[in-house]
This record gives sequence, structure tokens and C-alpha cells, in this order.
Amino acid sequence: EDQVTQSPEALRLQEGESSSLNCSYTVSGLRGLFWYRQDPGKGPEFLFTLYSAGEEKEKERLKATLTKKESFLHITAPKPEDSATYLCAVWDNFNKFYFGSGTKLNVKP
Amino acid sequence: KAGVTQTPRYLIKTRGQQVTLSCSPISGHRSVSWYQQTPGQGLQFLFEYFSETQRNKGNFPGRFSGRQFSNSRSEMNVSTLELGDSALYLCASSAGTGGRNSPLHFGNGTRLTVT
Repeated sequence: EDQVTQSPEALRLQEGESSSLNCSYTVSGLRGLFWYRQDPGKGPEFLFTLYSAGEEKEKERLKATLTKKESFLHITAPKPEDSATYLCAVWDNFNKFYFGSGTKLNVKP
Repeated sequence: KAGVTQTPRYLIKTRGQQVTLSCSPISGHRSVSWYQQTPGQGLQFLFEYFSETQRNKGNFPGRFSGRQFSNSRSEMNVSTLELGDSALYLCASSAGTGGRNSPLHFGNGTRLTVT
């Protein structure tokens, strides 16, 4: 079965301290990899889709990259409002989505 | 464009009862899928419906069922509730055509508590 592993489970940063979140996956056939942000008590909010190795997407302070085995979500100069749980999901050839357990990010002012 | 709407937001039920959750997808989206989210297990796929037909199913017991109506709205039913069914139930819609631009768009979920 397809698997998605995210690390670290939790990350505490000071405001302005850049870092990266990791999502590694094993999948029978990758149709797409998605990043979501989830705030407490809310559903996941779509951030990016990546389709092929070497692809990159950016949005404000976030940048997602994809290789054949993993994806990174780089956060540049984070702010307290970036605090959330970041989820990674893979979409396989059987049209199924598999989610990682997430990285809980806490940015201190 | 209105997002995915789930009702109710909160439910408290007793063991042995049954419950029905409702989801209205984004206008034009034909695929609706359901997920269970718990602190220990994360997001787990329940099932997906496309044009009123169940297209995929996760590894949940038969107590969990769903359906989709002709207007793409979907309902999920859980019978004979157990304490372990307490979770956030999330509905997601997508264009679902299998094309590339089909990310899942989630509602804010129904928080089910079983006592």
C-alpha cells in the first residue's frame, strides 16, 4: 500500500527563522503530490500541487519542491500566522489519496 | 464561489445510535470523498463518490456507508456507534474527472463525539 511519512512531527521556530518540512512517499504510481495547511478546528486548506520531479511551486513565504522520493515545504522568514499543521498527500494511479500525519508548526514572535 | 459545506458542525451521540452527516460540494464538483481524522490515526479515507456511484472505498467496517445525490450533495451514515468513532469527519470535493487539476477541497468537518 502507498505510504506517506512526514517529518518532523512538530517544529518550533522563532519568527524569521527559515526551515523545511519533509514528506517522503512510496507510491505505485504518482499522479500528484499535494500540500495542505490545517488550522485547529478547520478542514485542510489546499496550498500546492506538484506533478513531476523537479517541479517547484511558491506562494508568499512557502515553496514546495518535489523529487522522485520526497517533497519539501520550505518556509522562509516565517511569521506567527504561519503556525498550523501542514499535511502532505499523494494521489496514486488508482485515484486514491494518502495523507501523512502532518507537521505541527509553531512560530514564536 | 462557495466552499464545501458540512452540517452539522458538532454532534454528540450515544453508543449504539446512528448518525447521518451531510456535505454540499463546491458548485460544479462531481466527486465527493469522506475522511475520518483522529489524533492517533490522522486522515483516513472512508469512501469516494462520483456521479452518484461509489468509486473507491477505504478499510472501514460496513457500519460506515454513504451516498451521493444527483445534485452531487452527499451524506454519510454511521450505524451502531462505538466510542472509537469519535472523530472529525471531513468531506472533500474535487472536479474528479481524473484530470490534473483535481485537488481536494475540504469542508470544516463535523465533530462527532460518542459517549
